[in-house]
Amino acid sequence: GAGVSQSPSNKVTEKGKDVELRCDPISGHTALYWYRQRLGQGLEFLIYFQGNSAPDKSGLPSDRFSAERTGESVSTLTIQRTQQEDSAVYLCASSTRLAGGLTDTQYFGPGTRLTVL
Amino acid sequence: AQKVTQAQTEISVVEKEDVTLDCVYETRDTTYYLFWYKQPPSGELVFLIRRNSFDEQNEISGRYSWNFQKSTSSFNFTITASQVVDSAVYFCALARNNAGNMLTFGGGTRLMVKP
Repeated sequence: GAGVSQSPSNKVTEKGKDVELRCDPISGHTALYWYRQRLGQGLEFLIYFQGNSAPDKSGLPSDRFSAERTGESVSTLTIQRTQQEDSAVYLCASSTRLAGGLTDTQYFGPGTRLTVL
Repeated sequence: AQKVTQAQTEISVVEKEDVTLDCVYETRDTTYYLFWYKQPPSGELVFLIRRNSFDEQNEISGRYSWNFQKSTSSFNFTITASQVVDSAVYFCALARNNAGNMLTFGGGTRLMVKP
């Protein structure tokens, strides 16, 4: 079946502008994650959604970052007043929910490469 | 706090050589999960393996094998008879045994396999 999809694949913006990044999870996956990958580095967790529960926002680096998800569908990550330090690849992952509330293996999308000039 | 260390930032081998990628982790949890992902030049992370902390049995999948040792907090990955298509960045990751299981990633090891 279809994997996780993200759009746009590339985004170039000017410092101070707002950007929206979109993620379509695998159908039936209740959990959705956003990660950030700076050039040459590993991934950093940003935010986690599980069904209709309140999201875990513990990884968001500042209040300029926010994300929404309606039910178990599409999610949007918004970065307001972008800064050059926000330049990175933003990756989305989704997974199914296991018994006991745990989540299964995360499967990743291709990412959105954000460049802030 | 959790931490994953991949001390090898870059490895270069010649095709058909065996290569081992090291992964050392830190956690206070008794139950946790370990993962390896491959990130080819296309950028998409490809899931390779997931391991529960209670299962220390080594695993082999084709040319890939994994050695999990709780005593040394290591989860090393070996590619036997490497091929050019194995060239990628490989990430080791750790997840807690809780709802969400957010992944803590190592910095990655870039493997270059030369023909």
